[in-house]
Amino acid sequence: AQKVTQAQTEISVVEKEDVTLDCVYETRDTTYYLFWYKQPPSGELVFLIRRNSFDEQNEISGRYSWNFQKSTSSFNFTITASQVVDSAVYFCALSENDNFNKFYFGSGTKLNVKP
Amino acid sequence: DAGVIQSPRHEVTEMGQEVTLRCKPISGHNSLFWYRQTMMRGLELLIYFNNNVPIDDSGMPEDRFSAKMPNASFSTLKIQPSEPRDSAVYFCASTVNRGITDTQYFGPGTRLTVL
Repeated sequence: AQKVTQAQTEISVVEKEDVTLDCVYETRDTTYYLFWYKQPPSGELVFLIRRNSFDEQNEISGRYSWNFQKSTSSFNFTITASQVVDSAVYFCALSENDNFNKFYFGSGTKLNVKP
Repeated sequence: DAGVIQSPRHEVTEMGQEVTLRCKPISGHNSLFWYRQTMMRGLELLIYFNNNVPIDDSGMPEDRFSAKMPNASFSTLKIQPSEPRDSAVYFCASTVNRGITDTQYFGPGTRLTVL
């Protein structure tokens, strides 16, 4: 079974629209960490955020916000007022405390922001 | 600060040739990871090192793949002989291993094409 599911393969929006990228994870550990990475067309993987399982507070960083809900095992990512530069593939990842070096990556969501 | 450095950025080779990919982790990081990214399989962890010692190489596809880390600032991933199905983007990542999950920082990747 997939430990991290990103059901949205590709999303297209028009600039200035808000968009939410979904991430659902599966783990039996009580201590775990969740991540989001961005992969722009240039190909590198850029770290965006790291959250641990004990911190359910939502996080906001500029136009980016993250909604962590343990009750639904979700860690969704919202971009407000999207811009063309947000076009990229976004990956959600899980790391469990009993094997903290292993990251389980989702399959990624490709976001196309059109002008 | 310099991030993870990988070379070459692009490599085109013919089937049967030996390929060596190189990685310099972020200074002070003591864990290093090699990943492979393909459309079909997404991001796969191949091997990781802790304090220059290989810890888990269960993701290495077969004996044609080998990885070394002779010192804290250099690692290589070698494919010999290469095959067309090895064509992929290979990423190196590094982190500080403090006994808990920490962020993995990725290099720009090496795009390998085996003809």
